[in-house]
Amino acid sequence: EPEVTQTPSHQVTQMGQEVILRCVPISNHLYFYWYRQILGQKVEFLVSFYNNEISEKSEIFDDQFSVERPDGSNFTLKIRSTKLEDSAMYFCASGGQGASLGFFGQGTRLTVV
Amino acid sequence: DAKTTQPTSMDCAEGRAANLPCNHSTISGNEYVYWYRQIHSQGPQYIIHGLKNNETNEMASLIITEDRKSSTLILPHATLRDTAVYYCIVDNAGNMLTFGGGTRLMVKP
Repeated sequence: EPEVTQTPSHQVTQMGQEVILRCVPISNHLYFYWYRQILGQKVEFLVSFYNNEISEKSEIFDDQFSVERPDGSNFTLKIRSTKLEDSAMYFCASGGQGASLGFFGQGTRLTVV
Repeated sequence: DAKTTQPTSMDCAEGRAANLPCNHSTISGNEYVYWYRQIHSQGPQYIIHGLKNNETNEMASLIITEDRKSSTLILPHATLRDTAVYYCIVDNAGNMLTFGGGTRLMVKP
């Protein structure tokens, strides 16, 4: 069964450093998303991406965040200058039919120290 | 503003059916009902979705009331591995899913 894969599974970074979280969506999907979940809190939407551009983003997704689909298979989330409060699980999702129908990866646990 | 209301937690005996309710009284005509679950800290897992008709797949059944103001997710024979947080989400197939607090289902031996 096809699945969304994310790397790394866990990343520790120092405050102020840049991080790139990587995702390989399901191959024939057209919609791509990033969500995050701070420990003990709800899953929160960050950004959606379709047709090589951002289609929607939340208030969380400020100028420190960016997304890219550098080739036909990868989808990345970059945080330019990490803050302690960026520590969370970051989930990538992709969807084929209907934008809401997202299939999620297993997440990257980002710890900012 | 919450579009869905779910009980905070539920218990179910292993092997029995788990019936998880969801109220979505303000659902509009073009909004689907989606169910996801999250086991421990894993990524949310898609279970099932529907618009008006009841739906069934290999994981679960979704019963939507005729007025579409509520729905029930049924896991026909719950196992310990079904212990998870279950999220009911209504959406018009737009660009994002809005997760609430969900129902924490505990399947007990």
